[in-house]
Amino acid sequence: GIQVEQSPPDLILQEGANSTLRCNFSDSVNNLQWFHQNPWGQLINLFYIPSGTKQNGRLSATTVATERYSLLYISSSQTTDSGVYFCAGSARQLTFGSGTQLTVLP
Amino acid sequence: EPEVTQTPSHQVTQMGQEVILRCVPISNHLYFYWYRQILGQKVEFLVSFYNNEISEKSEIFDDQFSVERPDGSNFTLKIRSTKLEDSAMYFCASSDRLNNSPLHFGNGTRLTVT
Repeated sequence: GIQVEQSPPDLILQEGANSTLRCNFSDSVNNLQWFHQNPWGQLINLFYIPSGTKQNGRLSATTVATERYSLLYISSSQTTDSGVYFCAGSARQLTFGSGTQLTVLP
Repeated sequence: EPEVTQTPSHQVTQMGQEVILRCVPISNHLYFYWYRQILGQKVEFLVSFYNNEISEKSEIFDDQFSVERPDGSNFTLKIRSTKLEDSAMYFCASSDRLNNSPLHFGNGTRLTVT
């Protein structure tokens, strides 16, 4: 199966700062999703983005399918953005990365 | 927006007991999945299910696990004889197509085996 690498593993920001999370894939994927796992453990779907760029409020994502990576941008971060961010991609079954633990300090 | 619902949200069981985790996928979806997340680790694929049979399973999904779609709406994961290491969050997901379609995840069932 494919390998999914996320970076950085941990990120600490001051409220209001911007950040970029990266996801690399070992092979081509036909499905790519970004999730936020909240403190209760729920997986909140942020983006379905096998290619191109999407924006949703302060969040945006870009996937360059030909180079097998995706980026998640968080602008003007808030304390409620804290949690673990996962990317996941599939050629067959959806494979998750190890996540980025984001902490936003007030 | 339609949701995948999972019950119960928390389940505590004793080692050796059988548990059944329940899921109601989105109604027009045809592909169903179970994933597992041990505390502090990444989310791992267990099994996919289509047309009333398993289409793919991981090494984790051994003989103590089984899945079933007992009726037109429910999708269940049974763990026959639970072990301490089965303690995890179990997520159900569904999608309307095999490829080029997002998976929609439920809120998970937190299973604690004591």
